[in-house]
Amino acid sequence: GQNIDQPTEMTATEGAIVQINCTYQTSGFNGLFWYQQHAGEAPTFLSYNVLDGLEEKGRFSSFLSRSKGYSYLLLKELQMKDSASYLCAVKRHSNDYKLSFGAGTTVTVRA
Amino acid sequence: DTAVSQTPKYLVTQMGNDKSIKCEQNLGHDTMYWYKQDSKKFLKIMFSYNNKELIINETVPNRFSPKSPDKAHLNLHINSLELGDSAVYFCASSHQGAITDTQYFGPGTRLTVL
Repeated sequence: GQNIDQPTEMTATEGAIVQINCTYQTSGFNGLFWYQQHAGEAPTFLSYNVLDGLEEKGRFSSFLSRSKGYSYLLLKELQMKDSASYLCAVKRHSNDYKLSFGAGTTVTVRA
Repeated sequence: DTAVSQTPKYLVTQMGNDKSIKCEQNLGHDTMYWYKQDSKKFLKIMFSYNNKELIINETVPNRFSPKSPDKAHLNLHINSLELGDSAVYFCASSHQGAITDTQYFGPGTRLTVL
């Protein structure tokens, strides 16, 4: 089976940094995705990691350690519009059509 | 231009009715998906089609029947609706074989069964 764990909720202040952790135990690994989902809207793609290390994209960065089954999404210079749910998803095999999602982490940014 | 579109956005219906949700993508992708997101926000795959062929059929009641008339469309028909079917249903598409085959999601259809 697939086991993907994320914290349920996090709160941070505008301008601060927040790190959302994701640990996974899956039968196979071929990449990890992070999605952002605002309330009442569709998930939108943020980042993809398949090799160990840090991928930086503006204010958002994503890190992967395959040996530890661990990833994090780092949100810097938080803005109110970053209040959303952040979903971690794992693809198990290169020819696998399925993504296994974690339950998501709801981030609330306060002024 | 909307990349992945779904209709309707909201659907309120009585138990026992039959309803359909339509999905279209204009990204030229070859793979389409249906996901269900329940009240706890957990996103779970239901079906996947690649080039109109059913690839994934998770443990979903056979009251749910997907249909893909062509690569750009994947519709979901639900028979004999039950209270537990109330959820948000998301359509998504991707290009298999691409390096990341990122999935792009439609806006969702909020189904409420009364």
